[in-house]
Amino acid sequence: GAGVSQSPSNKVTEKGKDVELRCDPISGHTALYWYRQSLGQGLEFLIYFQGNSAPDKSGLPSDRFSAERTGGSVSTLTIQRTQQEDSAVYLCASSWTGGGNQPQHFGDGTRLSIL
Amino acid sequence: GENVEQHPSTLSVQEGDSAVIKCTYSDSASNYFPWYKQELGKRPQLIIDIRSNVGEKKDQRIAVTLNKTAKHFSLHITETQPEDSAVYFCAASIGSGNQFYFGTGTSLTVIP
Repeated sequence: GAGVSQSPSNKVTEKGKDVELRCDPISGHTALYWYRQSLGQGLEFLIYFQGNSAPDKSGLPSDRFSAERTGGSVSTLTIQRTQQEDSAVYLCASSWTGGGNQPQHFGDGTRLSIL
Repeated sequence: GENVEQHPSTLSVQEGDSAVIKCTYSDSASNYFPWYKQELGKRPQLIIDIRSNVGEKKDQRIAVTLNKTAKHFSLHITETQPEDSAVYFCAASIGSGNQFYFGTGTSLTVIP
């Protein structure tokens, strides 16, 4: 079956612009995670959804970052007034359930470059 | 919160030798420990995982061991091949929670 799909695969934008990143999880997966990976670094947790709810937003780095999920499926991560330090690969993952003890399946990520 | 440390950050081995990557965690409530392999420019792929009720798990050339008392777990790759070259990440999570805490990664190079 199809894996986790993310779009766009690459995004180049000017500082100060808003960007929207999309994640389409594996069908039936109720849990969805967003991570940020800077060049050569590990995975930084951003936000977690269980269904359409986001019980854990603790990783969002600032109020310029927001995310939503509709229909228990597709999620969008929005970054407003982008800054150069936002440049990174944004990875989405999904799993059958939340609870933190199920394997996560990752998408290919969106490579975001802020000029 | 949980803190996961991973060592070494880089590792080079000769083809056919074994590679061992170690991770420690701080929260004794953590009970699920996956390992991911990430090839350059690609998505992290789950290669093996272990739960806290098991001390060791093996899948062909890959094995993971868990020592709950010492709060550390390790990835063992035997008979390494060039295609094993990648960055490997460990992670820990608490079953009642929802956040995965990742190590900083180990860049493994297998020299033909």
